[in-house]
Amino acid sequence: GDSVTQMEGPVTLSEEAFLTINCTYTATGYPSLFWYVQYPGEGLQLLLKATKADDKGSNKGFEATYRKETTSFHLEKGSVQVSDSAVYFCALRYNTDKLIFGTGTRLQVFP
Amino acid sequence: EAQVTQNPRYLITVTGKKLTVTCSQNMNHEYMSWYRQDPGLGLRQIYYSMNVEVTDKGDVPEGYKVSRKEKRNFPLILESPSPNQTSLYFCASAPLGTGELFFGEGSRLTVL
Repeated sequence: GDSVTQMEGPVTLSEEAFLTINCTYTATGYPSLFWYVQYPGEGLQLLLKATKADDKGSNKGFEATYRKETTSFHLEKGSVQVSDSAVYFCALRYNTDKLIFGTGTRLQVFP
Repeated sequence: EAQVTQNPRYLITVTGKKLTVTCSQNMNHEYMSWYRQDPGLGLRQIYYSMNVEVTDKGDVPEGYKVSRKEKRNFPLILESPSPNQTSLYFCASAPLGTGELFFGEGSRLTVL
């Protein structure tokens, strides 16, 4: 069945470091792909999305490119801030309104 | 302000005592869903609804009920809670066909 695999966390970085959080997916067709972010004590929020191959989603300095050939949607940011500390979830949606989430990756950024 | 509102935010209860977690959205979304979040397991879908009077099971529906009598409300009912239902619960809504979920702030439930 369809599934999403994320890298294990926590990811620990110093402020202004480069961030990559890996996400790969398994799906029978061409799903839409999402990154959601959960700040401490809050619900998830949509961070960015991409609906077809080679699309790049971007928001708040974060980017992710839909790579069909590698079935990946890695999240990147050039310079992280302490305020980016959160849990990041990769998700896919294929043919229905159901989202399949990865298990989440915790990011900790230190000054 | 567009929002999904859940109540209560925190609840401690005992095994077998029926409880309801309410969820209301003000964005006129057709799609609503309940998730539970547990350490190491991520988010798992409990039930979802694509319109009024239309509900369906998600991945972990056992021990839960829902109803969708009005478009804005989607309560989650635990008829006889058990300790394995101790979890953090999220309600979410979205326009149909988008996957762009709006989440509530969560309800932390402890069943003793």
